[in-house]
Amino acid sequence: GQQLNQSPQSMFIQEGEDVSMNCTSSSIFNTWLWYKQDPGEGPVLLIALYKAGELTSNGRLTAQFGITRKDSFLNISASIPSDVGIYFCAGQQAAGNKLTFGGGTRVLVKP
Amino acid sequence: DVKVTQSSRYLVKRTGEKVFLECVQDMDHENMFWYRQDPGLGLRLIYFSYDVKMKEKGDIPEGYSVSREKKERFSLILESASTNQTSMYLCASSPTANQPQHFGDGTRLSIL
Repeated sequence: GQQLNQSPQSMFIQEGEDVSMNCTSSSIFNTWLWYKQDPGEGPVLLIALYKAGELTSNGRLTAQFGITRKDSFLNISASIPSDVGIYFCAGQQAAGNKLTFGGGTRVLVKP
Repeated sequence: DVKVTQSSRYLVKRTGEKVFLECVQDMDHENMFWYRQDPGLGLRLIYFSYDVKMKEKGDIPEGYSVSREKKERFSLILESASTNQTSMYLCASSPTANQPQHFGDGTRLSIL
C-alpha cells in the first residue's frame, strides 16, 4: 500500500531545543494524525488535524495540516528528556477509514 | 479515557501452531483494526472491522484471519504460524469511520 514519507528518520535532541519533523505524500488526505510511541507500548494520539491550513497545539506540541493537503509537520518546543520515542504521522483519506502511516521519526537524547 | 486491551504482551509459539491474539475495547467503538509493526516497515494494516461479524482485508492479510463476534472484541488468528510472522502486533479502535484510532500496548509475538 501507499506510504507517507516521514523525515527525518531519527534525530538527537538536547534539552531545551525546538525540534521539527514532517510528513509528505503524493496523495491528498482529509485528516492528519500525529502519534507518539514509547518503548514497549502502543502509539498514543497526540494531535488530530481535520482542515487544510489548520494549526493545532497540545502543550509544547504544535502540528499543521498543509494547505495542499499533502503534508503535515509537527514541532516540539523546549524539548525535555521524556520527549524521546518514535513519532508517527498518519493520514486518512475521505474514501474509507484506513490510516496510512509514515515510517516514524525516532527522537533520541544527545549524549 | 479509551482503553484498548490486548490479552498478551509477549507470546512465544511454534511454527505450524494456530495462534489467537485477542483485543478488547471498552468504549463501544464501531471500528477495530489489527496492524503489525516491523523495523523499517512501520505499521501495516492486516485486517479491520467496521461492525460485528464484518471484516475487510487490509494491506497484508495473507496468512491471517479475524473474528468479530461481539462489538468489543476483535481476534486475530494465525492459521498456521510461520517464522516470518514474528512481529509486534497492534490492535486499535475508533468510534466511527473518520475519528482517530486508539491503540493497545501491543503483543510481541515470536514464532520459533
